[in-house]
Amino acid sequence: DAGVIQSPRHEVTEMGQEVTLRCKPISGHDYLFWYRQTMMRGLELLIYFNNNVPIDDSGMPEDRFSAKMPNASFSTLKIQPSEPRDSAVYFCAIQNVSGRGKNIQYFGAGTRLSVL
Amino acid sequence: SQQGEEDPQALSIQEGENATMNCSYKTSINNLQWYRQNSGRGLVHLILIRSNEREKHSGRLRVTLDTSKKSSSLLITASRAADTASYFCATDESGNTPLVFGKGTRLSVIA
Repeated sequence: DAGVIQSPRHEVTEMGQEVTLRCKPISGHDYLFWYRQTMMRGLELLIYFNNNVPIDDSGMPEDRFSAKMPNASFSTLKIQPSEPRDSAVYFCAIQNVSGRGKNIQYFGAGTRLSVL
Repeated sequence: SQQGEEDPQALSIQEGENATMNCSYKTSINNLQWYRQNSGRGLVHLILIRSNEREKHSGRLRVTLDTSKKSSSLLITASRAADTASYFCATDESGNTPLVFGKGTRLSVIA
């Protein structure tokens, strides 16, 4: 978890509210990924960025989901409006394509989201 | 889309026994990786095996890869209670595409 800081760790909100999840990579990286994990569906890739540019957002479930990466040190995943079925653990992960540890993904500790 | 499928979904063993988890995948790969996830934490990389390798060791971990059968296995020898976690395989098709993770095997090691 050390290379990626996610906040908040836990989020409880009511249906219809806006939720913003944050990811701060500590080390340099080429790629940044957002995943969602549930018991039923396992680990799902939502979107990923290469050098801060969104490459593939086909995993984003609906228009209610959006992600941004204004710089290499920060990314957000926003859900507006949130629904109970969005309840899951959301992970951010980074990856380099060169150097030591290339092609290995380093995950944050995740944000556990509960939408009531 | 899911590439790797782990088997079994859940495994319960006694401390000291060996644990074997299998992963099957569908397309050609550049490498295959195994990750571990402790409850409430993110995934942590364990080991990577390239498509031209057949076996790799790291401490108590042994990974095999059979590209003809599109399958891999992870063996944990002399298991400990601290090995209790979920284990995921992930396939890397080209080195320039995202890893594709399976649903994982939940391992419980009983002291």
